[in-house]
Amino acid sequence: KNEVEQSPQNLTAQEGEFITINCSYSVGISALHWLQQHPGGGIVSLFMLSSGKKKHGRLIATINIQEKHSSLHITASHPRDSAVYICAVGGETSGSRLTFGEGTQLTVNP
Amino acid sequence: DTEVTQTPKHLVMGMTNKKSLKCEQHMGHRAMYWYKQKAKKPPELMFVYSYEKLSINESVPSRFSPECPNSSLLNLHLHALQPEDSALYLCASSQIQGSHTIYFGEGSWLTVV
Repeated sequence: KNEVEQSPQNLTAQEGEFITINCSYSVGISALHWLQQHPGGGIVSLFMLSSGKKKHGRLIATINIQEKHSSLHITASHPRDSAVYICAVGGETSGSRLTFGEGTQLTVNP
Repeated sequence: DTEVTQTPKHLVMGMTNKKSLKCEQHMGHRAMYWYKQKAKKPPELMFVYSYEKLSINESVPSRFSPECPNSSLLNLHLHALQPEDSALYLCASSQIQGSHTIYFGEGSWLTVV
């Protein structure tokens, strides 16, 4: 069992739909990161969370420390949101070693 | 300026070549990282520099040699690579080593022939 599990692995949506990507982890963490990677390669850091909820534009990220679970929500999805979304956790004792999930491939069709 | 700039974007090299990947940031970050990413896999940490000193080496083969000439620059020197080293090499930085927002570059696509 991976330390960081994401679901679903693949997600196809129609433009405008509300999207949720889930991340569960099994280790103690100091922070959780949501990252976005487009086919060209570059990774963009969307959120870093240690508690509660953050919002940026159409993106919302939540974390429940007790349940070791985080969700990334995209409201009013758009084709340009199509990318791989990666959950990564920084452990309490791992310093800079981020443990990555396998990623969720999101495709938003017009 | 919240950019991490990597050059070159694409590199093709032979197994006997010596080449370098370069990474630059001007955010005043004191931690810089090299990651390797194979297709459809998550990134794997290779090296971490903290305050220009090598902090973490994830048992990377010596054919990969990192260098941090100053607080803004990070290089990865490549020599005698193997075809299986072909991957996307990502540079990243953060304010300090540990749990801070991490900024990634666009990556350098390396093909070893």
